[in-house]
Amino acid sequence: DAGVTQSPTHLIKTRGQQVTLRCSPKSGHDTVSWYQQALGQGPQFIFQYYEEEERQRGNFPDRFSGHQFPNYSSELNVNALLLGDSALYLCASSFLGKEPYEQYFGPGTRLTVT
Amino acid sequence: DAKTTQPNSMESNEEEPVHLPCNHSTISGTDYIHWYRQLPSQGPEYVIHGLTSNVNNRMASLAIAEDRKSSTLILHRATLRDAAVYYCILRESGNQFYFGTGTSLTVIP
Repeated sequence: DAGVTQSPTHLIKTRGQQVTLRCSPKSGHDTVSWYQQALGQGPQFIFQYYEEEERQRGNFPDRFSGHQFPNYSSELNVNALLLGDSALYLCASSFLGKEPYEQYFGPGTRLTVT
Repeated sequence: DAKTTQPNSMESNEEEPVHLPCNHSTISGTDYIHWYRQLPSQGPEYVIHGLTSNVNNRMASLAIAEDRKSSTLILHRATLRDAAVYYCILRESGNQFYFGTGTSLTVIP
């Protein structure tokens, strides 16, 4: 059983560009959450998708958007990249209908903005 | 955002117990307490969670204060593989997690 997978592993972009990151949840999971982790910091919650809709959102600007597909996979899009967007982006999946709502994290995508 | 406070770092000798504290004085009655850990170059992984009662699993134990304003993660015998950043998280309704900066645990051989 594959766990959470993310692609690409690493990415280098230039300021002002746009980027799309992808996530496939663990089999049986229906909810995907995205986090941004700056160096030396804890993960910061960006948003959560369930039933193809954004259900919860953290304190991130509208430049950050997402999508969930019928197969529960998800994309994170970031527009007009800033240097400060350089971070590890983590995807986590869970099954909303069952305690403990344990989140399984992928290995992350390392985004560098130059 | 639900807030937790943890020491920045702790050290433990190998094969000794480790007690990792967490303060969450603003916890509400429906917030679950979750602990995750993040090994170097990996995503966080679930350790344990609880609501009011103490909890045990194969990885650790969770001791929750009677007033629920603090909790302690207990690793019964630290190994070198337990060296990681440990996060104490309050899960609010809606299933989103708000991480703090965590406690970096160093295990000394």
